Amino acid sequence: EVQLLESGGGLVQPGESLRLSCAASGFTFSSYGLYWVRQAPGKGLEWVSAISGSGSNTYYADSVKGRFTISRDNSKNTLYLQMNSLRAEDTAVYYCAKPLGSGRNFFDYWGQGTLVTVSS
Amino acid sequence: EIVLTQSPDTLSLSPGDRATLSCRASQSVSTYLAWYQQKPGQAPRLLIYDASNRATGMPARFSGSGSGTDFTLTISSLEPEDFAVYYCQHRSNWPLTFGGGTKVEIK
Repeated sequence: EVQLLESGGGLVQPGESLRLSCAASGFTFSSYGLYWVRQAPGKGLEWVSAISGSGSNTYYADSVKGRFTISRDNSKNTLYLQMNSLRAEDTAVYYCAKPLGSGRNFFDYWGQGTLVTVSS
Repeated sequence: EIVLTQSPDTLSLSPGDRATLSCRASQSVSTYLAWYQQKPGQAPRLLIYDASNRATGMPARFSGSGSGTDFTLTISSLEPEDFAVYYCQHRSNWPLTFGGGTKVEIK
């Protein structure tokens, strides 16, 4: 059974940093690109970042480019999102998501989400 | 960036009714479109991918159609558990984007 478990969310002040983790199980981790998607309170879904199975290719939404860094440790089956220079508008539930397959960037498994609140 | 516009914002219907939700893309996405259902406090759930393919385990009352810029999600007969928010998403190019959502509420 595929499982994705996010952690690392919390309350931080504007300008601070936070690192999210997503522990995965139930599938061949290194064979799948992985994604972060966020949802601000009461709002819709926003794709944030993606990383290839090997970790050699990364992609970012313009809203986070230069501030967030996605990475993965295939030996630990864990995905990360390093978030720097956080802003109030980064407040959201952050989900990690697994795609259907290579190049098929639709998400058949999601974690439960971790809440990041950026506020002074 | 491809913008996905969903309509209506809210659909007020009764159990047993037919629901028709629309998603329009600002440029062609071929059939690279998916639909998700989200209930309060839960992660989204994939319903339809590549415009018309039902995801594993999704009931047959959910169907998707369309190509290019105009897509439709149809729920043939609403069950009580279908009242939720529905999002479309494309995978045609980067960045991946989602529509703003349609809430299907009980009338």
